[in-house]
Amino acid sequence: GAVVSQHPSWVICKSGTSVKIECRSLDFQATTMFWYRQFPKQSLMLMATSNEGSKATYEQGVEKDKFLINHASLTLSTLTVTSAHPEDSSFYICSAREQGWGEQFFGPGTRLTVL
Amino acid sequence: GENVEQHPSTLSVQEGDSAVIKCTYSDSASNYFPWYKQELGKRPQLIIDIRSNVGEKKDQRIAVTLNKTAKHFSLHITETQPEDSAVYFCAAAAAGNKLTFGGGTRVLVKP
Repeated sequence: GAVVSQHPSWVICKSGTSVKIECRSLDFQATTMFWYRQFPKQSLMLMATSNEGSKATYEQGVEKDKFLINHASLTLSTLTVTSAHPEDSSFYICSAREQGWGEQFFGPGTRLTVL
Repeated sequence: GENVEQHPSTLSVQEGDSAVIKCTYSDSASNYFPWYKQELGKRPQLIIDIRSNVGEKKDQRIAVTLNKTAKHFSLHITETQPEDSAVYFCAAAAAGNKLTFGGGTRVLVKP
């Protein structure tokens, strides 16, 4: 199957700082990328959908000014958590899809801990 | 929007027995139903999926059934092994649309 990478795999930061997470599709062009957040022992919650070259579509309740998403190329999307607070600590997972009917391939996730 | 309910939330089975996880969905437009296995701290891995034009699909010890009329679908794992222990998620999506995940089922296979 296709490979999606995420970087970093884990990050610890101080409250009030910003953190950028990268999601890359390594062997295919991802027309759409998705960002999920997963709290311990809970399901994956979709945060936003991003299409290359256009603005991301955010799910209800997700602050677009706090979670900045950039999908500048067909192989890279970034999620920036601005002014992070302890309640933002979570497992962030991206996925990428090649075309509308295609399978979503998940990245390995990034564990964010905000002190 | 779509809503996916998954049951049970936890499932403990003896090695060799079968495990069944059930999901219901709300949006009749949904036509793609994947199942994922997630081990602790790892990414979800697609184990099987089914589209609305078929009622059943099987891959070795894993099978999925779909009842579009009742809007429910199920995962069946036969001859369970300890390595099947993980959290399993069902999901549903309409064509080209985003996935909506169920709440997950924590499966424990006891040797």
